[in-house]
Amino acid sequence: KAGVTQTPRYLIKTRGQQVTLSCSPISGHRSVSWYQQTPGQGLQFLFEYFSETQRNKGNFPGRFSGRQFSNSRSEMNVSTLELGDSALYLCASSPLQGGTDTQYFGPGTRLTVL
Amino acid sequence: AQRVTQPEKLLSVFKGAPVELKCNYSYSGSPELFWYVQYSRQRLQLLLRHISRESIKGFTADLNKGETSFHLKKPFAQEEDSAMYYCALRIQGAQKLVFGQGTRLTINP
Repeated sequence: KAGVTQTPRYLIKTRGQQVTLSCSPISGHRSVSWYQQTPGQGLQFLFEYFSETQRNKGNFPGRFSGRQFSNSRSEMNVSTLELGDSALYLCASSPLQGGTDTQYFGPGTRLTVL
Repeated sequence: AQRVTQPEKLLSVFKGAPVELKCNYSYSGSPELFWYVQYSRQRLQLLLRHISRESIKGFTADLNKGETSFHLKKPFAQEEDSAMYYCALRIQGAQKLVFGQGTRLTINP
């Protein structure tokens, strides 16, 4: 099976803009989680979607949002970008079937905010 | 609040020497612990999880609830073990992982 894919891989934006990142999970996986990785804060959980519903949310401001489509693909959106939003954004998918809940990570989208 | 602590940011050992990467956690619920590894220019991948109690690539980790620790060990380090290692705690009933800050392991020839 193909792994988790994320597009785009690199993105440069300026402060105040908004951005949308995309994640395609492994075929058959229904859960998608998003994480932000920065040198200072490390890996931090953003949110998780399952069957098009947000089930869990991390401690991030409302500028960070996401959604999941019926084919399990997910997008996350960041509005009114700030310099501190520069980070690697990781998506992880999980089947959540048959007792298997291992999260498989994508390569990430590197966002730079200028 | 839940927290995962990896006290060593950097760890350097010689090939053939034993390796121990430390991980301590703080969590009021029933813990489920993982070790993830990220090799150079590769994505984050699961190394092992405590409930499987298996050895992967010679690595083992035992959950010690009394000491709230989940240290990763390998008796004889190999150069290909050089990587970034993250300890993670899964929040009960959720697909939310709380990660430690990571330990960069370097195996010297």
